[in-house]
Amino acid sequence: SQQGEEDPQALSIQEGENATMNCSYKTSINNLQWYRQNSGRGLVHLILIRSNEREKHSGRLRVTLDTSKKSSSLLITASRAADTASYFCATGESGNTPLVFGKGTRLSVIA
Amino acid sequence: DAGITQSPRHKVTETGTPVTLRCHQTENHRYMYWYRQDPGHGLRLIHYSYGVKDTDKGEVSDGYSVSRSKTEDFLLTLESATSSQTSVYFCAISESRVGSPLHFGNGTRLTVT
Repeated sequence: SQQGEEDPQALSIQEGENATMNCSYKTSINNLQWYRQNSGRGLVHLILIRSNEREKHSGRLRVTLDTSKKSSSLLITASRAADTASYFCATGESGNTPLVFGKGTRLSVIA
Repeated sequence: DAGITQSPRHKVTETGTPVTLRCHQTENHRYMYWYRQDPGHGLRLIHYSYGVKDTDKGEVSDGYSVSRSKTEDFLLTLESATSSQTSVYFCAISESRVGSPLHFGNGTRLTVT
């Protein structure tokens, strides 16, 4: 069953603005990951944050994790038209279980 | 794309026919996965493998079988395709234990008429 749920389902912003996507999940996790999918392509891993971490940065990406609220956010700063894609969170639950993906957020960055 | 090749990339088949999708990796990763992606459902795990001849079911395994006779190949078979199996199928691999980052292929678009 779906573990993570992204919010909003769709987001449209102007180039240069920041984009924030949220992910909520239900059970205990040992890590949470964010992926990006361009139209017609497979998913690409962006960043992994472990359950004992609160914040992680990678270039223009900032991910936060709040295990008490069972939520995570992905911030893309200074967005570009090339950031237009769908973004998925995926949770790695405790134990050796495969990743469970959310339904994704469609981000459109307008030049 | 991390050395993952899915074949075919597109297929149209009729209801009731068997279909096999192939995933081939050149990374020598232990773990391989089959997901399906449908509008409104995101990605759902069908089956996964944690070694040669070692497989397990995922969330939506009914109507699907898999085989892994060698490290580099993971086959997904629809024994008798149904219209509900029309979807985009993604193969993914990971180097270490389940829960590690996945690397995805570019998908197979399957249409069952």
